[in-house]
Amino acid sequence: NAGVTQTPKFQVLKTGQSMTLQCAQDMNHEYMSWYRQDPGMGLRLIHYSVGAGITDQGEVPNGYNVSRSTTEDFPLRLLSAAPSQTSVYFCASYDRQGGGNTIYFGEGSWLTVV
Amino acid sequence: AQKVTQAQTEISVVEKEDVTLDCVYETRDTTYYLFWYKQPPSGELVFLIRRNSFDEQNEISGRYSWNFQKSTSSFNFTITASQVVDSAVYFCALKRGSQGNLIFGKGTKLSVKP
Repeated sequence: NAGVTQTPKFQVLKTGQSMTLQCAQDMNHEYMSWYRQDPGMGLRLIHYSVGAGITDQGEVPNGYNVSRSTTEDFPLRLLSAAPSQTSVYFCASYDRQGGGNTIYFGEGSWLTVV
Repeated sequence: AQKVTQAQTEISVVEKEDVTLDCVYETRDTTYYLFWYKQPPSGELVFLIRRNSFDEQNEISGRYSWNFQKSTSSFNFTITASQVVDSAVYFCALKRGSQGNLIFGKGTKLSVKP
């Protein structure tokens, strides 16, 4: 039972490079989200999706793109990385239909942009 | 507007002391959920508790206890007889009824010294 899997766990990028943070869940959850965590700021919502083909912006969406072509996967793309995107990224999924109100988090991805 | 405030940025205690972490929330929803997460130095988010807005019963789990008071919009977390392993960042978070996204406080860093 893998839950929510994020890759890579650690990544160093140069300014201007692009990359994709992968997130996959095997629980058939409709709802998936990406958060970023910065020192002293808690976790802030970047983008979220309520189902395949549907995405929406969160609190801090600038500089990030997402897509949801399958229920399982919700990748986060940085098209042109900036030092301000140095952060820890967490992916989460939620079973809206199940009623359990449990939110599952991945283990986090540490991204450094130099 | 939804908001979570953790006024204590850092707390330092000596082992075996009791410590309370404060959480104040703002919401106009009648149905909502409150969460506490622990983030140890290894970085993952560890789920501690979930409370729904209709259940004001206090909860005790071992050395951990939670006091939910709707009258003061607070959901405070107490660790009794703290241990070094309790050293972590603790986040309080709020979720709207049917949505899958969390609004996090900025976190409280707890250091327990031997």
